Amino acid sequence: NAGVTQTPKFQVLKTGQSMTLQCAQDMNHEYMSWYRQDPGMGLRLIHYSVGAGITDQGEVPNGYNVSRSTTEDFPLRLLSAAPSQTSVYFCASSSTVDEKLFFGSGTQLSVL
Amino acid sequence: QKEVEQDPGPLSVPEGAIVSLNCTYSNSAFQYFMWYRQYSRKGPELLMYTYSSGNKEDGRFTAQVDKSSKYISLFIRDSQPSDSATYLCAMSAGYGNNRLAFGKGNQVVVIP
Repeated sequence: NAGVTQTPKFQVLKTGQSMTLQCAQDMNHEYMSWYRQDPGMGLRLIHYSVGAGITDQGEVPNGYNVSRSTTEDFPLRLLSAAPSQTSVYFCASSSTVDEKLFFGSGTQLSVL
Repeated sequence: QKEVEQDPGPLSVPEGAIVSLNCTYSNSAFQYFMWYRQYSRKGPELLMYTYSSGNKEDGRFTAQVDKSSKYISLFIRDSQPSDSATYLCAMSAGYGNNRLAFGKGNQVVVIP
């Protein structure tokens, strides 16, 4: 009964490095999304997807790329990490029936 | 004006007290109202889910929605130290894109 699985849990990057945060769900949810959570800012939507092959931008998409080749996976790519991307990142999924979001346990990212 | 306003101020209460949390919102199209609980260094988990106006009770938790006042509340009765967490309100218009609007969260500390 895994739900939404995120890897890695912690990551330290140097400015300019690239990396991919992984997200997988086993609930056959159509909808998947990525949020970042910063102190005093709450949860902010980065990108989302309503199904395989379909992605769209959220509130703060700059510096991030996503793709959705399968229903289960929704990786988030940081193209050239910047200190402003230091944050906690959450992946979430839901069916399109009832708006209930299920979150992963998060990735704490530090960019030096 | 943000779509959802939630006073983020930390709230400390003695064990057994009633905890009262609330959010206000501006978008009259919102129909789905949720409360998430987030423990430190964990992902948010869905606590209460309400469609349209009214009350919903689940054990020690009661969620209230007043659409006429654009105001939602969460009450925790007989609070326990295990209720110490951050509580986020979230809401959606239900357009099928599952884009929730979140409050910034309210940190609650229950003192034994």
